[in-house]
Amino acid sequence: EAQVTQNPRYLITVTGKKLTVTCSQNMNHEYMSWYRQDPGLGLRQIYYSMNVEVTDKGDVPEGYKVSRKEKRNFPLILESPSPNQTSLYFCASKATTSGRRETQYFGPGTRLLVL
Amino acid sequence: AQKVTQAQTEISVVEKEDVTLDCVYETRDTTYYLFWYKQPPSGELVFLIRRNSFDEQNEISGRYSWNFQKSTSSFNFTITASQVVDSAVYFCALSGWGASGSRLTFGEGTQLTVNP
Repeated sequence: EAQVTQNPRYLITVTGKKLTVTCSQNMNHEYMSWYRQDPGLGLRQIYYSMNVEVTDKGDVPEGYKVSRKEKRNFPLILESPSPNQTSLYFCASKATTSGRRETQYFGPGTRLLVL
Repeated sequence: AQKVTQAQTEISVVEKEDVTLDCVYETRDTTYYLFWYKQPPSGELVFLIRRNSFDEQNEISGRYSWNFQKSTSSFNFTITASQVVDSAVYFCALSGWGASGSRLTFGEGTQLTVNP
């Protein structure tokens, strides 16, 4: 089954304790992205990756890091989480080669609470 | 810069009523994509539809229909004979064309509540 998976789905942590949210897709997509969802703001892009070893900042990158060492994985790293990073996080992937569908597929979301 | 506006923050209807969710967008791109996603109470994002900017044909899928008006930069979504299971947050989104235009710009979302 074609899917985007995220782990963990729920996480409660404390300020300053480094954490990683993993994202994996099995569709051989080139493009992967992280979004955060906050009430009244919709979803905003944090980072994206056009392919392996190619990453770039989105609209709200402060406080986050990413890496793309393999095509299928795109982890989101919070080196020193703060309460304002409490949010619902989504990973997404999309094919970018010509002729393939231009739709982003989203993971199930990760609810993060930073105390 | 791209922008998507969903002016309706919350809509409440009674089952079997028709309801239209508004979406207005801004972009300088001449070619782009428009999307609608549904987020049920369980939280996942469910893809509903994608439209190309050069295809203004309206689309119908069961009780769902979409009205794309390039002249007014709108991409409205209508649910006919609404049902309780339609209760969700609905997001309209916009992206550019091709690999370089992959970023999705989302609206703020419309919370639809369908009461029995």
